[in-house]
Amino acid sequence: DTEVTQTPKHLVMGMTNKKSLKCEQHMGHRAMYWYKQKAKKPPELMFVYSYEKLSINESVPSRFSPECPNSSLLNLHLHALQPEDSALYLCASSQDSNGNTIYFGEGSWLTVV
Amino acid sequence: AQSVTQPDIHITVSEGASLELRCNYSYGATPYLFWYVQSPGQGLQLLLKYFSGDTLVQGIKGFEAEFKRSQSSFNLRKPSVHWSDAAEYFCAVAHSGAGSYQLTFGKGTKLSVIP
Repeated sequence: DTEVTQTPKHLVMGMTNKKSLKCEQHMGHRAMYWYKQKAKKPPELMFVYSYEKLSINESVPSRFSPECPNSSLLNLHLHALQPEDSALYLCASSQDSNGNTIYFGEGSWLTVV
Repeated sequence: AQSVTQPDIHITVSEGASLELRCNYSYGATPYLFWYVQSPGQGLQLLLKYFSGDTLVQGIKGFEAEFKRSQSSFNLRKPSVHWSDAAEYFCAVAHSGAGSYQLTFGKGTKLSVIP
């Protein structure tokens, strides 16, 4: 089973709202990722967690705040977003940070109004 | 620095025709290479991967890819395309750095299939 589950699938939020995107995997993977994908573009890496510690933050604005409560869960907390943050947010996981396949979820479509 | 080039932005083929999507990479060490497919409104599905060994790798949905080190290429092929193959295809190279492991994607090739 190579499943990464993301909720919600669609989210519409105002610029003053606080919301969260959630990601879960039960494959025993110890590395988890957040990617952002704009229309007609490839995914862009935002954050990497390795063994529940943040190992990469690709200069993402502080209005995006990741959290890894345990090895199976990854959250992305959203606050004071801008309309240009509207995109598909993809969660992914891999066994560890040492040369394995990275598996993606179906994504969460975010619209900021 | 590592990079991936997919020279074709959009390819149109007839159903039943053969397909080849091109991918070239730039990476100093032995690359870990992937092809992912993304249908409209969906996430990325892994088609196949190359880590080492046999340079011709088989994937799901009848796809295969060949790793050619001398040409720094990892082209995706399918002998007979089905209408359901219409999607966006991304080639990616995995690499380690800064204590972590991540993917660098090409810009993608959109495949359209004519019935």
